[in-house]
Amino acid sequence: GDSVTQMEGPVTLSEEAFLTINCTYTATGYPSLFWYVQYPGEGLQLLLKATKADDKGSNKGFEATYRKETTSFHLEKGSVQVSDSAVYFCALSDAGGGNKLTFGTGTQLKVEL
Amino acid sequence: DSGVTQTPKHLITATGQRVTLRCSPRSGDLSVYWYQQSLDQGLQFLIQYYNGEERAKGNILERFSAQQFPDLHSELNLSSLELGDSALYFCASSVGHLGVEETQYFGPGTRLLVL
Repeated sequence: GDSVTQMEGPVTLSEEAFLTINCTYTATGYPSLFWYVQYPGEGLQLLLKATKADDKGSNKGFEATYRKETTSFHLEKGSVQVSDSAVYFCALSDAGGGNKLTFGTGTQLKVEL
Repeated sequence: DSGVTQTPKHLITATGQRVTLRCSPRSGDLSVYWYQQSLDQGLQFLIQYYNGEERAKGNILERFSAQQFPDLHSELNLSSLELGDSALYFCASSVGHLGVEETQYFGPGTRLLVL
């Protein structure tokens, strides 16, 4: 079945540092890929998405490129802020499978001053 | 604010009991999804409804059931509760077009604690 693998956390960075959170996937079809963010005590918010190979999703300074050849969708940000501290989830959905989301385990990011 | 509402926000109950979680989707969305977030299992898809009908089923226990009503709100019923059912339960909604990728919008979740 479909699966998503994310790098283990927590990831601790200083403010203005470069962020990369790795995500790879396994899917039988042609999935869409997502990054969701969960701030403390809150629900999941869609951060960005990409629906086909070589698409780049971007939002709030975060970017991720859908790489079919490496089955990856790594999340990057050039300069993190304390307010980016949250748990980040990589996920995929297959429209042919009813759009259910398959999530990775989540990566906690802590940004310090 | 995603437009998806969930009640209650917190629920504390005892083993063996039954609870009902409620979800109201965004205006215009026909599809509702339920997910469970627990420390040991992570975020898992439970079940999806579209316009009142079950569309997809995931890792949902037989003790759990759901339904979607004519006004499109959905309820997740959890019975014979066990300690391991303690988790955060999320509802999400989307428009519901079949075979088309759609963004799901998540509610704030219901935190269930079984004592």
